Amino acid sequence: DIQMTQSPSSLSASVGDRVTITCRASQGISNSLAWFQQRPGKAPKSLIYAASSLESGVPSKFSGSGSGTDFTLTITSLQPEDFATYYCQQYNGFPPTFGQGTKLEIK
Amino acid sequence: EVQLLESGGGLVQPGGSLRLSCAASGFTFTSYAMNWVRQAPGKGLEWVSAISGSGGSTYYVDSVRGRFIISRDNSKNTLYLQVNSLRAEDTAVYYCAKDRAKRGTYSGSGDYWGQGTLVTVSS
Repeated sequence: DIQMTQSPSSLSASVGDRVTITCRASQGISNSLAWFQQRPGKAPKSLIYAASSLESGVPSKFSGSGSGTDFTLTITSLQPEDFATYYCQQYNGFPPTFGQGTKLEIK
Repeated sequence: EVQLLESGGGLVQPGGSLRLSCAASGFTFTSYAMNWVRQAPGKGLEWVSAISGSGGSTYYVDSVRGRFIISRDNSKNTLYLQVNSLRAEDTAVYYCAKDRAKRGTYSGSGDYWGQGTLVTVSS
């Protein structure tokens, strides 16, 4: 299985900050990477697919980049509703696998 | 608007069975593969199974292969997961997710997710 490693596992930031979360695959996955946001008690929400394509209706404050094994999710101008857990997922290899998650907390 | 509504979860003893359902609306159901993803309490996400739009192809993670059966009824716009021989480690919220790939093919990544149904395996 392809291992997905996110860093950091947790992150404290303030409203208005810009943050970056990284995701590394244990082998090359081309651009078959998605990012999800999960608020407490809620279902995951897809933000980014194909490493850098924004889902319809997702604000442009979210952006993704990368290819191969190294990927990033950047969130600008943090608002209270952005404080959540973020997961990356590779869907190039079988089975699809997720990173362990990055919990973004208010400082 | 895409809507996915799971049901069928509950408390079951080790070795028991349940059938989870996911009622879909707001899109052409037969045109998309569907996925099940689970999340154990306080843990991360784990992809479990998928089925192509026609139902002709199915996919399972190794830990559930031979115990879980995914199926779909395209006439009812409903996805199912029959979960058998349940173990304590199967305790989780089970989400159904519409696959993002076009033309009924499988990618394993969901663009729309339901709210989940909780399966608790305990004696």
